[in-house]
Amino acid sequence: GENVEQHPSTLSVQEGDSAVIKCTYSDSASNYFPWYKQELGKRPQLIIDIRSNVGEKKDQRIAVTLNKTAKHFSLHITETQPEDSAVYFCAASDLGAAGNKLTFGGGTRVLVKP
Amino acid sequence: DAGVIQSPRHEVTEMGQEVTLRCKPISGHDYLFWYRQTMMRGLELLIYFNNNVPIDDSGMPEDRFSAKMPNASFSTLKIQPSEPRDSAVYFCASSEGQPSTDTQYFGPGTRLTVL
Repeated sequence: GENVEQHPSTLSVQEGDSAVIKCTYSDSASNYFPWYKQELGKRPQLIIDIRSNVGEKKDQRIAVTLNKTAKHFSLHITETQPEDSAVYFCAASDLGAAGNKLTFGGGTRVLVKP
Repeated sequence: DAGVIQSPRHEVTEMGQEVTLRCKPISGHDYLFWYRQTMMRGLELLIYFNNNVPIDDSGMPEDRFSAKMPNASFSTLKIQPSEPRDSAVYFCASSEGQPSTDTQYFGPGTRLTVL
């Protein structure tokens, strides 16, 4: 099955700086890579996703890049704000014999210091 | 739509007791997922259903855990007997299409504490 590694586990940035979170995956057949944001005590919510036929996608201050050859993808947050403080999870589609599902990374706790 | 609905939001029980968690997916969504979240193990998929049929239950920890989906608008996750190590936040999620293509929408979660 798919294995997703996420780094770093914690990230502290100054407000206004950029934050970058990196994930690697093991299954070259994976074709869908969503990112979820989970605020303290809340549910995970999708913030952006990318498919394997696209190398980069941007939505305002958030961007995601995908390198299929190296099997890694990254989340970039520019001009960070205090409300960006949360745990971020990457995920990759797992197209195993038992059906397809998402495998999540271990999460990155981002703290934006004012 | 009210989104994915879970109940109860909090559950405190004693070791050995039966626990039943409930989920109502978003109307029209064909896929339903049960996840468990802990600090140590992160977000783990326990089981998922497609059109009320269990597709992959490889994440279910052991026989103490069981899940059902009797109809398109209701699912349960049962733990019997419960143990302290089952303490976690349990999320239900649903999606319109396949996990490899469609967004999963999470419910608010059930925080389970087993004493």
